[in-house]
Amino acid sequence: NAGVMQNPRHLVRRRGQEARLRCSPMKGHSHVYWYRQLPEEGLKFMVYLQKENIIDESGMPKERFSAEFPKEGPSILRIQQVVRGDSAAYFCASSPQPWSQDEAFFGQGTRLTVV
Amino acid sequence: RKEVEQDPGPFNVPEGATVAFNCTYSNSASQSFFWYRQDCRKEPKLLMSVYSSGNEDGRFTAQLNRASQYISLLIRDSKLSDSATYLCVVFNQAGTALIFGKGTTLSVSS
Repeated sequence: NAGVMQNPRHLVRRRGQEARLRCSPMKGHSHVYWYRQLPEEGLKFMVYLQKENIIDESGMPKERFSAEFPKEGPSILRIQQVVRGDSAAYFCASSPQPWSQDEAFFGQGTRLTVV
Repeated sequence: RKEVEQDPGPFNVPEGATVAFNCTYSNSASQSFFWYRQDCRKEPKLLMSVYSSGNEDGRFTAQLNRASQYISLLIRDSKLSDSATYLCVVFNQAGTALIFGKGTTLSVSS
């Protein structure tokens, strides 16, 4: 049973480009959570999704950021018109129930660098 | 007041030492608390949950004081492999996501 898979592991984008980060949850998990970790900072909650639904997006910046978790395929975190301040590690986690702690795992993250 | 605050660290200790980390949280309604471990540039991993009665897992002991909104982690007989950043974590008010502290870095030396 593969763990939470994130790709790409590293992503370099120029200012103004779009970044797409993918997260494939563990088999049987239908709840996905995205977090961002800025350099020298803690993890900040961004968004919580179930299949085809956004449950809590209170941590998402109001502009340029969007997330989806379609019926088929991975969850996607999309950042439009990236700026240098978007450079960070983006982690997703998945669980079979709403944050079932004993069964929640993080992916290895995507490190986004904006140049 | 920040939702989760931790000792700033870093903690530099020799092997075999006992070290304690402290954490305070602002949401008095929080019901669930955890300690995570994060190794350099890797994903956070659950170390242990924190229960009201306190709990122990080998060399690690977690304590919760609801009245003071305070959580602690004690590591006994530190090993080199314990070197990492330790994250104090609580559920947000909506109960939909984990809120992480900035972490305390531990460095164990021989």
